[in-house]
Amino acid sequence: GAGVSQSPSNKVTEKGKDVELRCDPISGHTALYWYRQSLGQGLEFLIYFQGNSAPDKSGLPSDRFSAERTGGSVSTLTIQRTQQEDSAVYLCASSFVANNEQFFGPGTRLTVL
Amino acid sequence: QKEVEQNSGPLSVPEGAIASLNCTYSDRGSQSFFWYRQYSGKSPELIMFIYSNGDKEDGRFTAQLNKASQYVSLLIRDSQPSDSATYLCAVYGGSQGNLIFGKGTKLSVKP
Repeated sequence: GAGVSQSPSNKVTEKGKDVELRCDPISGHTALYWYRQSLGQGLEFLIYFQGNSAPDKSGLPSDRFSAERTGGSVSTLTIQRTQQEDSAVYLCASSFVANNEQFFGPGTRLTVL
Repeated sequence: QKEVEQNSGPLSVPEGAIASLNCTYSDRGSQSFFWYRQYSGKSPELIMFIYSNGDKEDGRFTAQLNKASQYVSLLIRDSQPSDSATYLCAVYGGSQGNLIFGKGTKLSVKP
């Protein structure tokens, strides 16, 4: 596709449920990033993939968060046992290679009731 | 802890004026600098990037970088109401490969 796509655009879930967020980067982009933005807050970095590898997972806020990328393309961010503080917009970005310009997808708005 | 600082605003300018947005960063080794525009309820949109000291112009936008002062700015000439948005300054954080974002400056262009 022409840009980064994310699904779902909106997700409402109950506390304690697991959710899976998907990101499809720009074709040919080797680097993929996940951020989250809470209401009125700045962008918080979560994790970065170069190809299928995530060199550093220390940005993930807790062990309930995990992410994977397969085939050097689509990535999924999984949040287990969701909590209300997980409510935020989860943004995915990709770049041709690391340290290049990043282009963002439209985001997934997660609401945990 | 690498940081990017921006004045949160709001910065209000009249239509047709020049809007000047400023950003400072803490890591002297930073090499790549980006400006994103974020409309309310939307995701960030890349509008400018700059890697070298000096000015870089693209249409009504000019990015200015001064590495000695650890300062990057964005000028918007002939500001339009459609430029009203939050402008995010970002710098590459290094080993983690991520961008470090400032909290953004909210710009309001009054007709």
